[in-house]
Amino acid sequence: QVQLQESGPGLVKPSQTLSLTCTVSGASINSGSYYWSWIRQHPGKGLEWIGYIYYSGTTYYNPSLKSRIAISVDTSKKQFSLKLGSVTAADTAVYYCARGTTLTPLPSFDSWGQGTLVTVSS
Amino acid sequence: ETVMTQSPATLSVSPGERATLSCRASQSVSSNLAWYQQKPGRAPRLLIYGASTRATGIPARFSGSGSGTEFTLTISSLQSEDFAVYFCQQYNNWPLTFGGGTRVEIK
Repeated sequence: QVQLQESGPGLVKPSQTLSLTCTVSGASINSGSYYWSWIRQHPGKGLEWIGYIYYSGTTYYNPSLKSRIAISVDTSKKQFSLKLGSVTAADTAVYYCARGTTLTPLPSFDSWGQGTLVTVSS
Repeated sequence: ETVMTQSPATLSVSPGERATLSCRASQSVSSNLAWYQQKPGRAPRLLIYGASTRATGIPARFSGSGSGTEFTLTISSLQSEDFAVYFCQQYNNWPLTFGGGTRVEIK
């Protein structure tokens, strides 16, 4: 059974870069059947898709965040990572990594990490 | 982008009763619609994909219907563990978008 686990700092200063890593176990990150995604949830709010990466390194980003995002994958470590630059208080959220299926051109998400709260504050 | 609107925002239901949740898309998403359940402090869990296909391990009391712009999630007989927030997500149009959620609470 696939498991995803987010890791990274829980506190980031304004204007700095938020960096998170998701470690995948119980499934091959090299599988062409999945996209590996980041999704966030502002406190008490709905969900916002950030972006995802294919095992080959091809990335897809939400246009609203595209200028500040970089998602990368390290297949040898079974990890994928998110960097979000120039953060402000508006980036305070719970960040989830998730697995999306490639059965359709765009994915739904069948497995999620537990989420990690990142607070942007000086 | 495709705006997903869920209604009602909060639904008060007694255990054993039926709950009907709605999700409307601002443009057609065909049948590329998923439903998720989220409990406090937990990650969302996929319930339904393809508008009507239950994900692995999801009880039969959960059913989804609709296509195009109008979708419904029905919980036929609410159990105590079903009180949660439910989100819809479209995966037909770029970028992926989620609805704002419906909270199902105990009446």
